[in-house]
Amino acid sequence: GQNIDQPTEMTATEGAIVQINCTYQTSGFNGLFWYQQHAGEAPTFLSYNVLDGLEEKGRFSSFLSRSKGYSYLLLKELQMKDSASYLCAVEDSNYQLIWGAGTKLIIKP
Amino acid sequence: GAGVSQSPRYKVAKRGQDVALRCDPISGHVSLFWYQQALGQGPEFLTYFQNEAQLDKSGLPSDRFFAERPEGSVSTLKIQRTQQEDSAVYLCASSPGGLGPTGELFFGEGSRLTVL
Repeated sequence: GQNIDQPTEMTATEGAIVQINCTYQTSGFNGLFWYQQHAGEAPTFLSYNVLDGLEEKGRFSSFLSRSKGYSYLLLKELQMKDSASYLCAVEDSNYQLIWGAGTKLIIKP
Repeated sequence: GAGVSQSPRYKVAKRGQDVALRCDPISGHVSLFWYQQALGQGPEFLTYFQNEAQLDKSGLPSDRFFAERPEGSVSTLKIQRTQQEDSAVYLCASSPGGLGPTGELFFGEGSRLTVL
């Protein structure tokens, strides 16, 4: 079956760095997405990786290793507004998105 | 507005009632997806439209669920004879391109359905 694993919850301190991991087993691979979802709001796009390596976008970076079925989202200089759920999703060979359950990130002052 | 709009935002139904949830995607977006999201979970795929064609409905949990997009823009998700297990947030998302590398999905804020 298809499976996306990410930690349920993480806690970090304002101003620090946090890494949220995602491992996947899917039928084919056409890219990996990270979305941010604040409570009660719509998911919003953060990043897309299809090739191995690191993609940097401001305070957020996303890394992919296709051979290991592994990705991480790195958040730097954490701000209180970064408290949210972070969803990892993989596009399979049928171009469908398979979603993880999300990682709830709690930022403490 | 310029984003994906869903209505109603909140719907309370008695078990056995029919409900209809509306999605107004970003103008010109070819692809439209419906997802079901339970509390503390990621979105679960329900169905996909490319323009007016429903290309994939494999995620619809039962024949009580029906979706349409007759003119290739607004879509409606209908749930007949609602059951308590149907309680969830129903998310609609659109994207500019057709089936293939989807790129970024633009989500609406969802319709939260509570079945009593």
